[in-house]
Amino acid sequence: AQKVTQAQTEISVVEKEDVTLDCVYETRDTTYYLFWYKQPPSGELVFLIRRNSFDEQNEISGRYSWNFQKSTSSFNFTITASQVVDSAVYFCALLLGGADGLTFGKGTHLIIQP
Amino acid sequence: NAGVTQTPKFQVLKTGQSMTLQCAQDMNHEYMSWYRQDPGMGLRLIHYSVGAGITDQGEVPNGYNVSRSTTEDFPLRLLSAAPSQTSVYFCASSYLDRASTDTQYFGPGTRLTVL
Repeated sequence: AQKVTQAQTEISVVEKEDVTLDCVYETRDTTYYLFWYKQPPSGELVFLIRRNSFDEQNEISGRYSWNFQKSTSSFNFTITASQVVDSAVYFCALLLGGADGLTFGKGTHLIIQP
Repeated sequence: NAGVTQTPKFQVLKTGQSMTLQCAQDMNHEYMSWYRQDPGMGLRLIHYSVGAGITDQGEVPNGYNVSRSTTEDFPLRLLSAAPSQTSVYFCASSYLDRASTDTQYFGPGTRLTVL
């Protein structure tokens, strides 16, 4: 069965520091999709990025970057120059090619202190 | 487009009561699903549907029923609520073709408390 592990339950950093959120996934499928979602204190789920298993190219979007490494089954998320507005719970999730739903990690609570 | 809508936003039930959580989408998505979010547990799949008339169980289906009579609607029923069903419930939808869909679109959530 598939699994997503976010080992960091909570991270607290001071504003402007860089921070990396770890995500390790397990699946035997060769076709799969990886996601990151942000859940701010208001509670909604905000889509950040999707990566498919055939595309290991890293991605940068402003202060956000993602490092996908199939060799270590990891899909880590880095926030550069963190801001207070980045404070949220971040979820990594795995979607297989079949009809089943997303498998979520337990989330990392990121606290950015001013 | 309204996207994915859920009603109600908040609900308090007594043990043994029944209720239906509503979910609707206007994006003509074939795939719809329900998740529950509990503290420290992430989101877990309850039920999903790949089209009208077709539903299947996810990871935590016990105590919940679903049906899909139209493409747009996917209600979640609690027949006899239990305190263990206190949670935040999210509905999501997407196209069935995983390769062509960018994300699962999530509703705003329903916070349910069972006393």
